[in-house]
Amino acid sequence: DSGVTQTPKHLITATGQRVTLRCSPRSGDLSVYWYQQSLDQGLQFLIQYYNGEERAKGNILERFSAQQFPDLHSELNLSSLELGDSALYFCASSVGDSANTGELFFGEGSRLTVL
Amino acid sequence: SQQGEEDPQALSIQEGENATMNCSYKTSINNLQWYRQNSGRGLVHLILIRSNEREKHSGRLRVTLDTSKKSSSLLITASRAADTASYFCATDRRGGTSYGKLTFGQGTILTVHP
Repeated sequence: DSGVTQTPKHLITATGQRVTLRCSPRSGDLSVYWYQQSLDQGLQFLIQYYNGEERAKGNILERFSAQQFPDLHSELNLSSLELGDSALYFCASSVGDSANTGELFFGEGSRLTVL
Repeated sequence: SQQGEEDPQALSIQEGENATMNCSYKTSINNLQWYRQNSGRGLVHLILIRSNEREKHSGRLRVTLDTSKKSSSLLITASRAADTASYFCATDRRGGTSYGKLTFGQGTILTVHP
């Protein structure tokens, strides 16, 4: 158990809909990262927050947004969903604000299926 | 595009044999990490090697890093069926806009037959 909690574990929705994925980082970790994993794209970095502020941005679509709240949990909002958004979405956390400080702790992921 | 590329894409061996996976990357790095993923599960950190290190051991794992060739290898000795998983290298790139994120390769699928 990594200590990172993601909900929901599975989500099935229709095209055009909006969903919110939630992540609670490990106790004491200030950084939260979001990754998307799909068969064709592999693991893609989406966005990182550190202590409530956006820290780094990757290949995140404009239809996607995220935030980190004062209690350090984070939410990833996906809107106007398309079939191609079907993927496994991972949240990870770390103590510091740079991957150079060490390992990331991953949650078990949220599997999104868009029909 | 992915920073790291693993080789081979898939590896099938018998229990007790050694498994070697390679990773190549394109830019200067602060560190390189290896992660393991069981099917459909979250990634688990295995080992981190810094850019000024050449070799690191952890249990049955041995990682090497050659920054001049921009490559790393992960050796799992005396493999077990429970080692069956996907293995990913991840690089923490130095400088630029990549601050604070790890970039993952496509992974090597390792199958260890009992």
